[in-house]
Amino acid sequence: SQQGEEDPQALSIQEGENATMNCSYKTSINNLQWYRQNSGRGLVHLILIRSNEREKHSGRLRVTLDTSKKSSSLLITASRAADTASYFCATDASGSARQLTFGSGTQLTVLP
Amino acid sequence: GAGVSQSPSNKVTEKGKDVELRCDPISGHTALYWYRQSLGQGLEFLIYFQGNSAPDKSGLPSDRFSAERTGGSVSTLTIQRTQQEDSAVYLCASSWARDSKAFFGQGTRLTVV
Repeated sequence: SQQGEEDPQALSIQEGENATMNCSYKTSINNLQWYRQNSGRGLVHLILIRSNEREKHSGRLRVTLDTSKKSSSLLITASRAADTASYFCATDASGSARQLTFGSGTQLTVLP
Repeated sequence: GAGVSQSPSNKVTEKGKDVELRCDPISGHTALYWYRQSLGQGLEFLIYFQGNSAPDKSGLPSDRFSAERTGGSVSTLTIQRTQQEDSAVYLCASSWARDSKAFFGQGTRLTVV
């Protein structure tokens, strides 16, 4: 089963608006990462937040992590049409589990 | 190389045939992952290699699937006796270590007819 689940599954906004995507996970983690995928091929890493961090920024991206709720959010500010893509969270679980586990993704559409 | 390279980009095969998918990770990356993605779906974990440790094969869906990583570098994913449900994009990723960001190849789109 998926470790991370993104919410919503799909999001459509106007250019210039902010987009917020959420991710929930099940087990303790070392870190949580967000990736972007265009056209169903390779994924591109956006940002990594460690379990002892609560918030991280990178350009127009802001990620928060709440380990007590086992959830994370990705905020894209001042969205652009070029931000249209699928966004995935991925968790690196602590303990014996060794895989980097991905959620099912949020399809973001930014309308010009 | 500049990034993770996968070959072939596309593969069409007949049901029942064996296929080999290749992944060239970024030089020096010790961790290598294989994932499968069906159309419009998330990434399904298949197998993970980390250095000289035994690979984590917990995601392989059946014994028709196998993978190896030679010399800690190139990896090959083999699917024997392919079935139509094996049709998907197979993605490879590598990273410096288990807890660092992963770099993905562009994937191999496998179509079983």
